[in-house]
Amino acid sequence: ETGVTQTPRHLVMGMTNKKSLKCEQHLGHNAMYWYKQSAKKPLELMFVYNFKEQTENNSVPSRFSPECPNSSHLFLHLHTLQPEDSALYLCASSREGPEASSYEQYFGPGTRLTVT
Amino acid sequence: SQKIEQNSEALNIQEGKTATLTCNYTNYSPAYLQWYRQDPGRGPVFLLLIRENEKEKRKERLKVTFDTTLKQSLFHITASQPADSATYLCGPEDKLIFGAGTRLAVHP
Repeated sequence: ETGVTQTPRHLVMGMTNKKSLKCEQHLGHNAMYWYKQSAKKPLELMFVYNFKEQTENNSVPSRFSPECPNSSHLFLHLHTLQPEDSALYLCASSREGPEASSYEQYFGPGTRLTVT
Repeated sequence: SQKIEQNSEALNIQEGKTATLTCNYTNYSPAYLQWYRQDPGRGPVFLLLIRENEKEKRKERLKVTFDTTLKQSLFHITASQPADSATYLCGPEDKLIFGAGTRLAVHP
């Protein structure tokens, strides 16, 4: 596998529920990302963290709340979601900065989220 | 606005032929482009990266070109196999946007 794990792999939740998605990377990377992938649409970047600091918030609704306690772990807290939020949520990591020799991203397997 | 565009139509080819996928960018000057493979229900997997000062990059049966004049990258798979069937994505170094991907189907 890629060295990036995500749990759970599948999640069904009601619109009033609160749940969290977890991502972990064991690659020593300093940057972590959340993407949303809906059917037949491009990957949509949601959040970027670099050395635990949020560096990008791509106009994401506040019902999605990210948390990055350290460079290896990333969470996405979900509450009062809408049916249109149903999608594949992908986590990725990369090594960024002038010392990096390459910048490719490593993606996790994703969490398939269904909001009912 | 900045755009990365890939053929939305699926590409169907016969086993053994060369598959060529296109990635065009608009209002953008990426320092490099990356190509990924994505299988259904899985995350993308990195394949190749090409820098703007590199005309061509190869890895086994894969070849990527980068034409900054045409604002285009081409991704080639030679001697294609049914196992190459997947969706292929391209994206720039800032990782902020990706193309929607082109689905490749290689038929025996």
